[in-house]
Amino acid sequence: GNSVTQMEGPVTLSEEAFLTINCTYTATGYPSLFWYVQYPGEGLQLLLKATKADDKGSNKGFEATYRKETTSFHLEKGSVQVSDSAVYFCALETGGGNKLTFGTGTQLKVEL
Amino acid sequence: GAGVSQSPSNKVTEKGKDVELRCDPISGHTALYWYRQSLGQGLEFLIYFQGNSAPDKSGLPSDRFSAERTGGSVSTLTIQRTQQEDSAVYLCASSQWGSYEQYFGPGTRLTVT
Repeated sequence: GNSVTQMEGPVTLSEEAFLTINCTYTATGYPSLFWYVQYPGEGLQLLLKATKADDKGSNKGFEATYRKETTSFHLEKGSVQVSDSAVYFCALETGGGNKLTFGTGTQLKVEL
Repeated sequence: GAGVSQSPSNKVTEKGKDVELRCDPISGHTALYWYRQSLGQGLEFLIYFQGNSAPDKSGLPSDRFSAERTGGSVSTLTIQRTQQEDSAVYLCASSQWGSYEQYFGPGTRLTVT
């Protein structure tokens, strides 16, 4: 079956630090990959996506590259801000209705 | 326009009672999804609708759980004879068919005492 593994949190960084949140997956077929973000008190929002191997998704300074050879989709940002504090979820979809399989989420805390 | 709305936002119920959770998707979105977010299980898929049909119910945890969608719009998730392990945040999402982006509602926090 499909599964997503994320690094456990919480991750605590100082403002302007470099961020990496690791995500690896197991899937049948050729999945599309996503990062969703949940800010405190808000609902899940799509942050970025990649639909085929070697695609790079990007949004709000965040990037992730779909690596088929390592089955990974790591999230990166060069300089985090306090406002990036949230829970980040890696997810995949393999068609047949687009239902999402999520990782367990990684909480990011950015401090001044 | 309005996003996905869910009601109630919070529900506290006694073990053994039935509950109904409602989802109003974004107008025009033909696909609707239910997920559950709990401490022990993370975010897990429950069921999805395309129009009024539910091609995939594979995530429903037991036959106490059911869902329906009418008029290609509002959906109701019903949990019968609630158990403490049903305590979770129930999330609804909708999307245009064929679109990768799912828009999530704020969730219903269910607490079974």
